[in-house]
Amino acid sequence: NAGVMQNPRHLVRRRGQEARLRCSPMKGHSHVYWYRQLPEEGLKFMVYLQKENIIDESGMPKERFSAEFPKEGPSILRIQQVVRGDSAAYFCASSQSPGTGSGPQHFGDGTRLSIL
Amino acid sequence: GESVGLHLPTLSVQEGDNSIINCAYSNSASDYFIWYKQESGKGPQFIIDIRSNMDKRQGQRVTVLLNKTVKHLSLQIAATQPGDSAVYFCADYSGGTSYGKLTFGQGTILTVHP
Repeated sequence: NAGVMQNPRHLVRRRGQEARLRCSPMKGHSHVYWYRQLPEEGLKFMVYLQKENIIDESGMPKERFSAEFPKEGPSILRIQQVVRGDSAAYFCASSQSPGTGSGPQHFGDGTRLSIL
Repeated sequence: GESVGLHLPTLSVQEGDNSIINCAYSNSASDYFIWYKQESGKGPQFIIDIRSNMDKRQGQRVTVLLNKTVKHLSLQIAATQPGDSAVYFCADYSGGTSYGKLTFGQGTILTVHP
């Protein structure tokens, strides 16, 4: 499967724990995007990364959330000290280049995060 | 602020009918638009895209129309099938300081009855 791979598909955490969500982009893609989707809503942009660089984190909450895309390995979205309001589906997308240059972003099937 | 939104949240059609899903956008600087289909438990799946220098683009059973004058986008699905039942989102590139950020609309639930 050459698509965007996300794991885990489902993640359950208790309040105060940490959540780590992983995303491997499509082969040949060096641009990664994270989105959050609440039930019955559209996706909301969180962060855009290239290898080892955060390009735009304007959609990230100021506290507890961080993202990285290291030179080797998947992109990681990390949520510290989770709260019930963090329960959502988190989607990762990738593209060959940003903007319209190489076509649309391609999405993974998401991680469904549930906070007890 | 900038936003992409949909007129109708739900649409029910009979199998074989044509479906039209509408979308309004507010950012006149948007230059690239995408329609995604999302099935339950899955991520958005690319359907078709259109750039702002075009008015119409056709794919397999789908057509996207762009009216820049009224900032309106529509997705037409011909001979709708039960497998087309899903939530459909329009999205646009906001550009500006982040050329990677997609802004999504609320979504339209399409239900196709056999």
